[in-house]
Amino acid sequence: AQRVTQPEKLLSVFKGAPVELKCNYSYSGSPELFWYVQYSRQRLQLLLRHISRESIKGFTADLNKGETSFHLKKPFAQEEDSAMYYCALSLTGNQFYFGTGTSLTVIP
Amino acid sequence: DVKVTQSSRYLVKRTGEKVFLECVQDMDHENMFWYRQDPGLGLRLIYFSYDVKMKEKGDIPEGYSVSREKKERFSLILESASTNQTSMYLCASSLNRGTSSIPAAYEQYFGPGTRLTVT
Repeated sequence: AQRVTQPEKLLSVFKGAPVELKCNYSYSGSPELFWYVQYSRQRLQLLLRHISRESIKGFTADLNKGETSFHLKKPFAQEEDSAMYYCALSLTGNQFYFGTGTSLTVIP
Repeated sequence: DVKVTQSSRYLVKRTGEKVFLECVQDMDHENMFWYRQDPGLGLRLIYFSYDVKMKEKGDIPEGYSVSREKKERFSLILESASTNQTSMYLCASSLNRGTSSIPAAYEQYFGPGTRLTVT
């Protein structure tokens, strides 16, 4: 069963426009959610995690348990934000469940 | 700084060959993982290991096996490579839950990936 859903495979926005990458998960308990990012020719790396309630590179993500969502947002997209983004869910074990990814392109 | 290294960035093998992909981490992490990354399919877990000589099947273990003889090294083996195993293979490591009282410690650290082509 798909535990993490990222409905958009591709997303294009203009520089300076707001961007939102959607993520929904399937889990009735208390999940730990993450966003990972992979820039061109770089390794996959952690962008942010919900438990830290942090803002990284201008990105934020809020866990909405009612909607089972963890959407990634940035008010003003930059060209360097172009990358592949993965939402990931960690449950009580040590496994992570990744979504299928969203490729973000920021148009100059 | 966590370092996860993989033995090859690019590999080309013929159908039927036995293929070894090696992964080494230097952070004394208990957990290690092998994923394959395919466009439109995301990351799919092949196998993971939470201790030396221990292994668990992931979502797509068929056609693969693994070996973990030392804590820092996790090998992925394709016993008889097939063209449908052409993919990007990612290795990752993490602390085991219970090792640290800091929940934020349990992120996965990834290697650079090995792009395997089977012809």
